[in-house]
Amino acid sequence: DIQLTQSPSFLSASVGDRVTITCRASQDISGYLAWYQQKPGKAPNLLIYAASTLESGVPSRFSGSGSGTEFTLTISNLQPEDLATYYCQQLIRYPPDYTFGQGTRLEI
Amino acid sequence: EVQLVQSGAEVKKPGESLKISCKGSGYSFTNYWIGWVRQMPGKGLEWMGVIYPSNSDTRYNPSFQGQVTISADKSITTAYVQWSSLKASDTAMYYCARLRVGYCGGDCYPFDSWGQGTLVTVSS
Repeated sequence: DIQLTQSPSFLSASVGDRVTITCRASQDISGYLAWYQQKPGKAPNLLIYAASTLESGVPSRFSGSGSGTEFTLTISNLQPEDLATYYCQQLIRYPPDYTFGQGTRLEI
Repeated sequence: EVQLVQSGAEVKKPGESLKISCKGSGYSFTNYWIGWVRQMPGKGLEWMGVIYPSNSDTRYNPSFQGQVTISADKSITTAYVQWSSLKASDTAMYYCARLRVGYCGGDCYPFDSWGQGTLVTVSS
């Protein structure tokens, strides 16, 4: 099984900061990775897929990069509404494996 | 507008059965996979399985195989997950989500629209 490990698990930053969250896969998953934001008490929301493709309607201060086993989510110009937990997810289809990373809680 | 509307919160006793639902609207229900995701209290996201409503092709996370049954009724654009005998450890929020095709170097299926969640509490 492919494991996803996010770091850090917790992150504290200030409004206007730039933060980076890392997701490492235990095997090469090429670009088959998505990032989600989950605000407290809400369902997750898709931010990025294919490692770097921004989902429609997501602010451009969110960006993703990486391929293979190491991926990053970067949030520029941090806003108060970015307080959330962020998850990476692999999008392997054969056999299906949609495992999530353990999450990174972002405090503003 | 794509919408996934889930059934309401449930409180059950250990050993009881349960079926929760997820009704899709605003898109062609039979042309998109639906996934189910568990979130235990204070914990992260776990994918349980996915179903293609057009032909009910279902794939399970091995960790959930045999523990739950995922199904769909395309005539009423609704997907389900059911338990035959609940345990206290099934207490969690359960989300359904639509999988939309994207391109990751080949076809990939991010979870692009989510239901509001169904809270299941199992307690004696």
